[in-house]
Formats: sequence, structure tokens, C-alpha cells
Amino acid sequence: DAKTTQPNSMESNEEEPVHLPCNHSTISGTDYIHWYRQLPSQGPEYVIHGLTSNVNNRMASLAIAEDRKSSTLILHRATLRDAAVYYCIHVPTGNTPLVFGKGTRLSVIA
Amino acid sequence: ETGVTQSPTHLIKTRGQQVTLRCSSQSGHNTVSWYQQALGQGPQFIFQYYREEENGRGNFPPRFSGLQFPNYSSELNVNALELDDSALYLCASSGRRGGYNEQFFGPGTRLTVL
Repeated sequence: DAKTTQPNSMESNEEEPVHLPCNHSTISGTDYIHWYRQLPSQGPEYVIHGLTSNVNNRMASLAIAEDRKSSTLILHRATLRDAAVYYCIHVPTGNTPLVFGKGTRLSVIA
Repeated sequence: ETGVTQSPTHLIKTRGQQVTLRCSSQSGHNTVSWYQQALGQGPQFIFQYYREEENGRGNFPPRFSGLQFPNYSSELNVNALELDDSALYLCASSGRRGGYNEQFFGPGTRLTVL
């Protein structure tokens, strides 16, 4: 079973920032927090991951709560191409499979 | 760098038949994982292969089986197809980098069982 909780859906206006929340209260101290997204008719793609510190990459930023029981994926300026289902997953170290929940369906309005 | 490819793109079978789906992993990756995604759901883990050996299995019956080849490509075989096997089948490849493993997914094979 998925161990994360996310809202079913969110909506954003184009060019606006989007904050996608995720609760992972059962996360263990060594689990990484990964975010993947799945665009329509495609396989999931990696977005970002972190352990304790906030992380930035070219796609997004990841803000991790101090107690690590929640995190927020931040898209700084949503575009129509960001419309997708976003999955928050906590991943133990090592070559382990991903446990997906239902994710958050993000709609972006022009 | 070649990404993960899957074949065929779409497939229609009837109940009771057998199907083989194929996956070519990304260059340099030694691990392939297979997932089943029903409509409106997140992907569910079927099994993983690491260096040609099964390295973990999800809650799927034995009629779901697989292989990994020396070049790390992989096959998923499903016997005695059931209507509920209709889904998008995704494969993902990964290779060890530090303490985590980013998985690279293929576009999937859409299987319809009639």
C-alpha cells in the first residue's frame, strides 16, 4: 500500500507557482522522498528527490519539513506542459521498487 | 543515451491467451522493474530483475513471469489472460547511483483483454 497521502487534484493558472503537498508520516530516517510525474499517455518521469534538505533542479524545487513527515513540490511557473499526475513516493536506499499511490492530478489553466 | 523502449505499443488478446511484452533498458542500467497500471490508478509493482535474476516481486500470481537477458533487456510474460489484466504495462530501468535509484520509465504497452 502507498505510504503517502496527496490531494486527488489541484488546479493552477498558467505562469503561476504551484505547491503540491504530500504527507508521509511513516517515513523512516533513511528513506528518500522522490517525486515522479506522469504526463498523459506517457510513463512516469522522475522530477526530483531529497532526504532532509530542500532541493532545487531545473524542473522544480522540493521543500522538506524539518520532521520529514511532509514535503511540498514547487513548480515555480506552471505551464500547460506541466499538466500531469504527480506522485510523491518515499524510497528506501538501494535498488527498491517504487510504491505509487494515486497521486495528484494537476490541471493548468491558460 | 537511448531511453527505455517497449514493444508492442498496443496489443489486443482474448481471455485465456498468453502474451509477451518486451523492454529494452537504458544504456548502462542493470535493473529492470515491471509495473501494471490500471485505468485511473498509480502503477503497481509486478517484479524486478537485477543482473538476470528476479530481485523482488509484488502481489501478482505466478502466471506473471519474466526474464532478463545478458544485455539487461527484459520480457514480461502473462499466461491464461483474464479480463482484469487489461492495463498499461510499464517497464523501468535503473542503475545504482549513490544512495538512490532514479527509475527511467518506458512509454508502456497498452494491453486489452477481450
